[in-house]
Amino acid sequence: GAGVSQTPSNKVTEKGKYVELRCDPISGHTALYWYRQSLGQGPEFLIYFQGTGAADDSGLPNDRFFAVRPEGSVSTLKIQRTERGDSAVYLCASSLQGAQDTQYFGPGTRLTVL
Amino acid sequence: KQEVTQIPAALSVPEGENLVLNCSFTDSAIYNLQWFRQDPGKGLTSLLLIQSSQREQTSGRLNASLDKSSGRSTLYIAASQPGDSATYLCAVCHNNNDMRFGAGTRLTVKP
Repeated sequence: GAGVSQTPSNKVTEKGKYVELRCDPISGHTALYWYRQSLGQGPEFLIYFQGTGAADDSGLPNDRFFAVRPEGSVSTLKIQRTERGDSAVYLCASSLQGAQDTQYFGPGTRLTVL
Repeated sequence: KQEVTQIPAALSVPEGENLVLNCSFTDSAIYNLQWFRQDPGKGLTSLLLIQSSQREQTSGRLNASLDKSSGRSTLYIAASQPGDSATYLCAVCHNNNDMRFGAGTRLTVKP
């Protein structure tokens, strides 16, 4: 089917606000990943889901960041009390089963915190 | 903690040249290594995936090698074209699904 999609493509918010970023993985992919990419850097791992459960959330920078994947498909990354330092491109990827498979990336959501 | 380094940070070559991009990593206990391409303002496109037991993978004009013991991988691009201009990212994955990226090499191929 279609590739990984992410919405919105751009999000501008004010410091202190709450934001949600959505990821629709490739149908049938059980593994889903969130990354954050700052300008001139490679993506930084945030969290990995296997099915509905967060198998590894060691990359989340602090407790303002949270992600869910309630039905094992769509995932939402939630950021509370946004800070200017949260500004980055948030990338989502999915793979068929896990680490042994190619990861397919979405186009990203560019988050700007004013 | 795994550190992934890519050299050079930027590279400019004339069309038709063969070129090599380098990636090094500090922890050799990896599960696999992937090379990605990223165009400005876009997501990443996987180019080649090398499992830890493999030495190289080829796709068209691209060839990636892996020397796990020395912590190195190279991406060879033959007969470069202007359409190859992009940022190339190397990423190593451990068996816990933790993937670490380098900062990338920004390639420009001039017509």
